[in-house]
Order: sequence, then structure tokens, then C-alpha cells
Amino acid sequence: QKEVEQNSGPLSVPEGAIASLNCTYSDRVSQSFFWYRQYSGKSPELIMSIYSNGDKEDGRFTAQLNKASQYVSLLIRDSQPSDSATYLCAVNGGGSARQLTFGSGTQLTVLP
Amino acid sequence: DTGVSQDPRHKITKRGQNVTFRCDPISEHNRLYWYRQTLGQGPEFLTYFQNEAQLEKSRLLSDRFSAERPKGSFSTLEIQRTEQGDSAMYLCASSFPGSEQYFGPGTRLTVT
Repeated sequence: QKEVEQNSGPLSVPEGAIASLNCTYSDRVSQSFFWYRQYSGKSPELIMSIYSNGDKEDGRFTAQLNKASQYVSLLIRDSQPSDSATYLCAVNGGGSARQLTFGSGTQLTVLP
Repeated sequence: DTGVSQDPRHKITKRGQNVTFRCDPISEHNRLYWYRQTLGQGPEFLTYFQNEAQLEKSRLLSDRFSAERPKGSFSTLEIQRTEQGDSAMYLCASSFPGSEQYFGPGTRLTVT
């Protein structure tokens, strides 16, 4: 079982819709959770971080964390064609772990 | 404020040659990470420095790979006797302790 799992997609939504991206993780002691956006051929760009259960909103983006279910999600409201990218879920483990463990990413396409 | 920079951005080399990549972190970030990313996968952790000390290395980091951060500022990643399987994007990230990691643009390595 992979440590961080994401639906690979592709996920297509029409412009203006809500895009919902999901991620599950296996390490119960994981402490920090991140969403990165990666355009084709580019490096990952941090868009959201979340550390405690509940919702965190930043503009059109909302991250949701449920540690009991080991689940983290990203909602993108009013999706734009410029949101078309691969979204990577990353988890920073507990204990002495400092590195991020990434999922394989979900490819999102926003259709004009 | 400059972000993480990496050099070169692209490198094509022949199998068996040695290559070296450089990463300059965000100034004042004392943590520096190297990751490797292949097509369709999320980044995989290679190694991590806090100041000049290399504190963690992944099992992925074979003895052909070596990384240094001699003065706690920039870092180099060297791959000796390159193999075709080394072809990937090599990503550097930096952070404050316990904070989010920010990635550089990456170095794309192609081994022919």
C-alpha cells in the first residue's frame, strides 16, 4: 500500500465549477499536510498547508483535513482554465521525519 | 526576495559520465532538501540538510549519489557513472524548521 494515495484522474470540470481533489495517507502520526500545484514541465508550487482537523480557506482554495479518517482534500471553487495542472498531495510524517512524502498527483483539466 | 534557484536547468549526458547540480536555497532557510521526480510520479525524497549537516538519506540514494552543503548555504548533488535510470527531474527545496518547503525550478537530467 502506497503511503499517500491520490486518484490519478484525469479529472475534468467545466469552468466555474468546483473541483474536488482527494488524498489518503497511511501513517497515522503524520502531522502536516500540503497541496502543491504542478504545471507540465514545471516544479511544484505550494498552494495550501493544513495542520489541524477542519477546513482552511485561502481565496478560491479550501483544504479539508480529517485525521481520524486519514483523509485530506482540496476544493477549488470557480475553477478557471489556468487551474489546469497536476495537484500533488504531500504529507510530513511524525517523529523525526522531515521529508515530504508525495502522492502521484491528480491531473485536473478545467474546460472553458 | 528570490526563490530557490537551481543550475543547470537542463543537462544531457552520456551514460557513464559524472554530473553535478547546484541548488541555492531561499536566504536564511537552514533546511535544504533534494528530491527526484520521474514522469507521472510525485517527487521522491533523496536527502536533507540542516545547515551544513546531512541529516537524512533515502534508500534511493545509491553510493553513486553524493550531496554536500559545505557552508550551510548552497548545495551540490553529484551523480557518478550515470545510468539511463537516473534520467529524471532533480528538485531542490528549502524551508525554515517546521515550515513549508519551497521548490526550485528543477534540473532535468537526460542520460543517453
